[in-house]
Parts: sequence; C-alpha cells; structure tokens
Amino acid sequence: GNSVTQMEGPVTLSEEAFLTINCTYTATGYPSLFWYVQYPGEGLQLLLKATKADDKGSNKGFEATYRKETTSFHLEKGSVQVSDSAVYFCALTWMDSSYKLIFGSGTRLLVRP
Amino acid sequence: DADVTQTPRNRITKTGKRIMLECSQTKGHDRMYWYRQDPGLGLRLIYYSFDVKDINKGEISDGYSVSRQAQAKFSLSLESAIPNQTALYFCATSDRWGYTFGSGTRLTVV
Repeated sequence: GNSVTQMEGPVTLSEEAFLTINCTYTATGYPSLFWYVQYPGEGLQLLLKATKADDKGSNKGFEATYRKETTSFHLEKGSVQVSDSAVYFCALTWMDSSYKLIFGSGTRLLVRP
Repeated sequence: DADVTQTPRNRITKTGKRIMLECSQTKGHDRMYWYRQDPGLGLRLIYYSFDVKDINKGEISDGYSVSRQAQAKFSLSLESAIPNQTALYFCATSDRWGYTFGSGTRLTVV
C-alpha cells in the first residue's frame, strides 16, 4: 500500500545551520506530496507541496523537490532559525484516494541559538 | 475565529466512560476528517466524511464512532474509553486546494 517514511528525530541544529529532513514514499500512480509543520501546542499547517515530478515546492525559505526516480521529497533549508523549531510531517495523497492524506511519522527539529 | 474549531482542547476521562470530541468549521468544505496523533506514528485516519450522508472508516476506526450533524459539524465519540486511546486528536477539512487542521484535542484516558 501507499506509505511515507521519514528520518527519525529529533534533529538538533545550531542557528544558521543547513537543514535536511529526508522523506521517501511508496505510492501507485502519481501522488501529490506535502510537508506540514506543527509548532508546539498548535495544529498542522501546510508548509509546501508539489503535485508532479520535478516540481519544487517552496515557502519561508524551505524547499523540497518531487523526485520520482528516487521516490523522495526531502525538505531543505539553507539557514535555520530558532523559530523553525517544530515537528515536520511529510505526507502524500493520490487521485483515487478520495484525497485522504497519509502521513509520515514526523521529525522533530530543535534549533539552538 | 479559527477556521476549524475543536472542543474541548484538553480532556481527562476515566476508563469506560463515553466521551465526545466536537469539531466545527467555517471553511464551507464538504470533506471532514478525524485523525489521531501518537508519538512516533504520525497522524492516522480514524473516520472521514464527504458530506452529511457519507461517512467512511479510516485505518483505525475500531472503538470510535462519528456523527456528521451538518456540513459544518463532525463529532467523534469514544463509546467506552480505554487507556490506549490516550492521544492527540485532530479534526481537518479539505477541498481540492488542500487541508485545514484544527488545533487538536489532547485526550487522556486514566
């Protein structure tokens, strides 16, 4: 079945460090891919998305490229800030799923000053 | 007001008690969902509804029931709560452009 695998956390970085959070997926057909962010005590917010191969989603300095050949959608940011500390979820949906989202297990990011 | 409102925000209940979690939305979306979040497991789908007359089970529906009272309201019930239902519960809505999540209900069953 369709699934999403994320790297385990927590990921601890110093401010201004480079961030990569790995995400790979298994899906039939052509899924749409998402990154959601959950700040402490809050719900999930859409961070970025990509709907077809080679698309690059970007928002707030974060980027992820839909790589069909490696079935990956890794999240990157060139210079993290303390305010980026949160839990990040990779997710997918596909056309015949009735738009249900399947989530990865989440990766906690802690950025230290 | 938030687009998706969940009540209560926090709840502690005893094993065997019936409890209802409520969700209301102002997005005007037909699709609504209940997810459960457990540490290290991400979010898992409990139930979803595409309109008032369309209710579907998700991957972990056992021990839960739902009611879609109106387009804007979708409640989740635990008929007889058990400790392994302790989790963070999220309601969400969606349209073709994406999902909107509520802030969650933290439920503890003791």
